[in-house]
Amino acid sequence: AQKITQTQPGMFVQEKEAVTLDCTYDTSDPSYGLFWYKQPSSGEMIFLIYQGSYDQQNATEGRYSLNFQKARKSANLVISASQLGDSAMYFCAMSANTGNQFYFGTGTSLTVIP
Amino acid sequence: DTAVSQTPKYLVTQMGNDKSIKCEQNLGHDTMYWYKQDSKKFLKIMFSYNNKELIINETVPNRFSPKSPDKAHLNLHINSLELGDSAVYFCASSLWTGRGKDEKLFFGSGTQLSVL
Repeated sequence: AQKITQTQPGMFVQEKEAVTLDCTYDTSDPSYGLFWYKQPSSGEMIFLIYQGSYDQQNATEGRYSLNFQKARKSANLVISASQLGDSAMYFCAMSANTGNQFYFGTGTSLTVIP
Repeated sequence: DTAVSQTPKYLVTQMGNDKSIKCEQNLGHDTMYWYKQDSKKFLKIMFSYNNKELIINETVPNRFSPKSPDKAHLNLHINSLELGDSAVYFCASSLWTGRGKDEKLFFGSGTQLSVL
């Protein structure tokens, strides 16, 4: 069975500082994808970054980077130079190769403090 | 051009009523989903359709019935609404390419369902 765990229900970060949001996963599939989504208070789901299980390098997208440690089964999101607009819920998700299935973690609420 | 559009955005109704939520995607994706987000923000998959064929049907009451007339549309019909059905329902779509990043989920804007 696939499982995604986010252990930080809420996080605070000072503006312009970096923050790491934790995500661990469990799967028996050799091929899988890991995604991070942002959900601001307006409610829409915004794709941030993707990491494939066979990717050798950590993914980066602007201020977002994914710290992928395959042996530990972790895929932490790092946001550099936090901005007030980064305040939102962040969801880690995994897709399995066995079908078009996406599994989501319980989310982390990030608050950026001015 | 909205990629995944769902209507209505808000739905307020009485217990016992029947209601439908419509979803359409213009991305050419072959897989569509319904997710339920509860008050604690937990996202739970309800259904998944691939080319109009049901491939995931999680433990969801029989009162919920998805219908996919074609691969661009996936509607959700709910019978005999209950208080516990109050949630945000998201439609989403994806394309199975074998190229990882291209397979990300595209979400609709959500439907806030309130059952009184």
